[in-house]
Amino acid sequence: AQKVTQAQTEISVVEKEDVTLDCVYETRDTTYYLFWYKQPPSGELVFLIRRNSFDEQNEISGRYSWNFQKSTSSFNFTITASQVVDSAVYFCALIHPGGSYIPTFGRGTSLIVHP
Amino acid sequence: KAGVTQTPRYLIKTRGQQVTLSCSPISGHRSVSWYQQTPGQGLQFLFEYFSETQRNKGNFPGRFSGRQFSNSRSEMNVSTLELGDSALYLCASSLATQETQYFGPGTRLLVL
Repeated sequence: AQKVTQAQTEISVVEKEDVTLDCVYETRDTTYYLFWYKQPPSGELVFLIRRNSFDEQNEISGRYSWNFQKSTSSFNFTITASQVVDSAVYFCALIHPGGSYIPTFGRGTSLIVHP
Repeated sequence: KAGVTQTPRYLIKTRGQQVTLSCSPISGHRSVSWYQQTPGQGLQFLFEYFSETQRNKGNFPGRFSGRQFSNSRSEMNVSTLELGDSALYLCASSLATQETQYFGPGTRLLVL
């Protein structure tokens, strides 16, 4: 069975602070994809990144960076110099290709960035 | 390219009624998935359609059904609505099964 845990229900920071959102996953499969999505108040989930289980390279995109560590089954997301527009709920998700394609989402972390 | 569109955006129904939600995927995308999002259960997968065929189904009762048309547009139907069906229903499209999903803005359904 697959499981994604986002232990942080809500994080509150002040603008310009760095913040890390944790994602821990469980799967018996060696091949899988991990995702991060952002859900602003409007409701639409916005795709941020997809990572293949065979690619452990960290990734940076502007103020966003992702740290994928298979040894700890974690795929953490860091926002550097947070801004008010980063306020949203962030979801981590796991998909196992090749089998029944039913994605597993974490419960989400609500990030509130105060001006 | 236009994103995923969903109609209607908001809907109010009463118990026992039925509802049909519509989703138009990104042009060229052939896979459409539906999700239910509630504060209590989070994001839950309903079903996925690809080339007019249901490929996967989540753990929902038979009151929840869907279909996909030849132009990849999809509809989901919920019959005999219950209070617990109040939720945000999200549609996502992808080029094919197992590809990255792109979500629409959702339909907020309130059952009274």
